[in-house]
Amino acid sequence: KQEVTQIPAALSVPEGENLVLNCSFTDSAIYNLQWFRQDPGKGLTSLLLIQSSQREQTSGRLNASLDKSSGRSTLYIAASQPGDSATYLCAVALNSGYSTLTFGKGTMLLVSP
Amino acid sequence: GAVVSQHPSWVICKSGTSVKIECRSLDFQATTMFWYRQFPKQSLMLMATSNEGSKATYEQGVEKDKFLINHASLTLSTLTVTSAHPEDSSFYICSCAGGAFTGLETQYFGPGTRLLVL
Repeated sequence: KQEVTQIPAALSVPEGENLVLNCSFTDSAIYNLQWFRQDPGKGLTSLLLIQSSQREQTSGRLNASLDKSSGRSTLYIAASQPGDSATYLCAVALNSGYSTLTFGKGTMLLVSP
Repeated sequence: GAVVSQHPSWVICKSGTSVKIECRSLDFQATTMFWYRQFPKQSLMLMATSNEGSKATYEQGVEKDKFLINHASLTLSTLTVTSAHPEDSSFYICSCAGGAFTGLETQYFGPGTRLLVL
C-alpha cells in the first residue's frame, strides 16, 4: 500500500526566506506526483504536477523536483511571502488504470511579515 | 476553466438525519468523480470513486450503505450521508476528472463541504 510522508509537519519562517518542503513515498511505481495548496477550510489548488518521466517542474517562485527511484520529491519556494502561508499537500497517482491519489498529511507553512 | 463547485459549503445537522452534498463540474464533463474526507490535521482520504452511470467503487472501510453516491450525469455527483452521527463530522471534498480517463488526467477539486453533526 502506497504511503506518503511529508516533513516537516509545520514550518514557520520570516518573509523573504527560501524554503524546502519534503515528500516521500513508499512505492516508486507512480504515474505522477502533485503538489497542492490548501488554505484553512478551503479546497485544494494544484500547484505543480510532475509526470513520472520528469525530474522537475517550475512555476514562478515554485520548483518541484522528483526522484522517483528514491521515492522523494521536494517543493522549493523562493523568496517566501506572507501570502504563501497555507498547508501544502503532496499526492501521488498510482501506476494503474485509476488516477487515484494518495495524499500526505501536509506541511503547514506560516510566513511572517 | 475546470471549475468545480460544492453545495452546501457547510452544514450543521442533528444526529440521525441524512445530509446530501452536491458536487458539480461547471465547465467540463467529468467522467469520473472522487469523494474524499479530511479530518482535522489529517490527510485527504479517498472514500469512493464514481463513473457516470455506474455504481461507485468504495475504498476499504467505507460503508457504502452509509455514504450513498450518485453520479447521474457528467456534471453532477451527490454524496448522501445517511443517519449521520457526530463521528461523521468532517470536511468532505470532491474532485472531478474529465476527458479520456488516463493516469495523466488532472483532478480538479471542489472547495469542500464542512459537516458538523450534533
